[in-house]
Amino acid sequence: LAKTTQPISMDSYEGQEVNITCSHNNIATNDYITWYQQFPSQGPRFIIQGYKTKVTNEVASLFIPADRKSSTLSLPRVSLSDTAVYYCLVDNYGQNFVFGPGTRLSVLP
Amino acid sequence: EPEVTQTPSHQVTQMGQEVILRCVPISNHLYFYWYRQILGQKVEFLVSFYNNEISEKSEIFDDQFSVERPDGSNFTLKIRSTKLEDSAMYFCASSQRRLAPTDTQYFGPGTRLTVL
Repeated sequence: LAKTTQPISMDSYEGQEVNITCSHNNIATNDYITWYQQFPSQGPRFIIQGYKTKVTNEVASLFIPADRKSSTLSLPRVSLSDTAVYYCLVDNYGQNFVFGPGTRLSVLP
Repeated sequence: EPEVTQTPSHQVTQMGQEVILRCVPISNHLYFYWYRQILGQKVEFLVSFYNNEISEKSEIFDDQFSVERPDGSNFTLKIRSTKLEDSAMYFCASSQRRLAPTDTQYFGPGTRLTVL
């Protein structure tokens, strides 16, 4: 059963690039890594998903090294509205979906 | 953009009572999920549902919990005899396929359950 660890919190300033790393040492061959964003009193919202190397979409990039034991979510030029909790999800097919503990990102003006 | 809806937004109940939380997944989705989030804690998986049966469940999803798709649109979570520790936000989610490339789980806004 893959478990994930993330920093509990991070602070950044508007316009900076933010990198949040998630460790998943026991990730299985068929597992994918997905990142979600959650604002208070709302459901998690999909950001990006990947299996290996690098994935980029309109809001973020996801870097996964060859051993896949970690992944890094990169948010370019954050704004105040990016203040949220960011969760790393590893798909344990046939077992349970495991959300990471979440990283509380605070973007300061 | 299609969205997952949940009702009610807030449910208050007495300990020992049964509650039913309702969800309407996105119409062309085939996989349905329930998660819960105790205040200040992480999102926890409860159960996934496909083709009218449970496909995966966590240790949290014990005999007090059940899920059902009573018709073509609703997906429900029933807690038979609520306990104080069931107080949490409950999120429903749906996806078109089992987690796969380009697939996404879409979450509803949640139902806040308060057990007194």
